[in-house]
Amino acid sequence: GQQVMQIPQYQHVQEGEDFTTYCNSSTTLSNIQWYKQRPGGHPVFLIQLVKSGEVKKQKRLTFQFGEAKKNSSLHITATQTTDVGTYFCAGHTGGGNKLTFGTGTQLKVEL
Amino acid sequence: DTGVSQDPRHKITKRGQNVTFRCDPISEHNRLYWYRQTLGQGPEFLTYFQNEAQLEKSRLLSDRFSAERPKGSFSTLEIQRTEQGDSAMYLCASSLTGMNTGELFFGEGSRLTVL
Repeated sequence: GQQVMQIPQYQHVQEGEDFTTYCNSSTTLSNIQWYKQRPGGHPVFLIQLVKSGEVKKQKRLTFQFGEAKKNSSLHITATQTTDVGTYFCAGHTGGGNKLTFGTGTQLKVEL
Repeated sequence: DTGVSQDPRHKITKRGQNVTFRCDPISEHNRLYWYRQTLGQGPEFLTYFQNEAQLEKSRLLSDRFSAERPKGSFSTLEIQRTEQGDSAMYLCASSLTGMNTGELFFGEGSRLTVL
């Protein structure tokens, strides 16, 4: 079945440093979504990318969808303590409605 | 309240007992999903409804698990003869067909502990 892996599993950064998480799918995705889950919270939608090679920005966050639509990345510039949490990518394959989540990257930001 | 609500938030039960979780989606949302999440892992798909029809069910879901959405509004997830391996957070999410973002709105989850 479809597998979605993320690296790294954990990342500790100093406040102000940049952070990147990478997402790789075993199968081609029709779209990719990113979610953030704060400690003790539930996943909250950040963005959806649909087109091959698409890049979207939200303030300090930059999202990319790979040309082959099998990988994606999330980059945070100048991290802040409010960025703490686990970031999940999630993708649909074909015309299905099942959203498969990645393994997640836990981000910790130290002052 | 316009969010997804789940009940109960916490459930502690003994192995072998049955448990039922309820999810009330955002009122106009026609799609409803159940996921399971264990510590340090991503949400794992269990099942999906469009209106009252259960359109997809994970092969990981054993016969002990059943979900319903009888009137296309709230949904229940029942686990029969619970096992310790069922201990997890059970997340419900809803969405609306045709939304540009395809966003899933998650509830706070129901945490199950099987002793």
